[in-house]
Amino acid sequence: DGGITQSPKYLFRKEGQNVTLSCEQNLNHDAMYWYRQDPGQGLRLIYYSQIVNDFQKGDIAEGYSVSREKKESFPLTVTSAQKNPTAFYLCASSIDRRGIIPQPQHFGDGTRLSIL
Amino acid sequence: GIQVEQSPPDLILQEGANSTLRCNFSDSVNNLQWFHQNPWGQLINLFYIPSGTKQNGRLSATTVATERYSLLYISSSQTTDSGVYFCAARRISQGNLIFGKGTKLSVKP
Repeated sequence: DGGITQSPKYLFRKEGQNVTLSCEQNLNHDAMYWYRQDPGQGLRLIYYSQIVNDFQKGDIAEGYSVSREKKESFPLTVTSAQKNPTAFYLCASSIDRRGIIPQPQHFGDGTRLSIL
Repeated sequence: GIQVEQSPPDLILQEGANSTLRCNFSDSVNNLQWFHQNPWGQLINLFYIPSGTKQNGRLSATTVATERYSLLYISSSQTTDSGVYFCAARRISQGNLIFGKGTKLSVKP
């Protein structure tokens, strides 16, 4: 099956602890994205990456870090500097190549992160 | 940056009714998507519609790019249509989608 896999579905973090959320896609998409959703709100962009070994900050990057060492993987680390990490985190991917019109983003099923 | 506004914020329907959800955006866009978020949080792609009209079963969408709005039509609504509907737009020359705050739809049996 082609798709985007996020793991784990539920994650608990202790105070002062870093945690890493996994996002893997086998769609051969170039671009990958991380969004945060708070209750009753829309999605806000944390980071995105259009090619391997390159990524850009989104609107709410403080307290988060990412890496893009492989095309199919885009892990998100929620660091201890993120003071309010409890949220629903969604990963997405899309075809995004220079010279072609933007293509739709496809989403994983999300990870719910809570503070212990 | 681009602003994306959705209306209404909440909508309650009786099963079988029709509805129209609206999305206004503040700048020219080259990507507009409609999503349905189910009660489990899954975000389902409904339409990729930067312009024109598309139909998929009981759902259809129209984007009038020159007037900066998009409409999502739901006909003969079912209880399984309940959830939150999001519109998201991407401005020309930008890499990311901007989401509206959503319309929460509740369909009663």
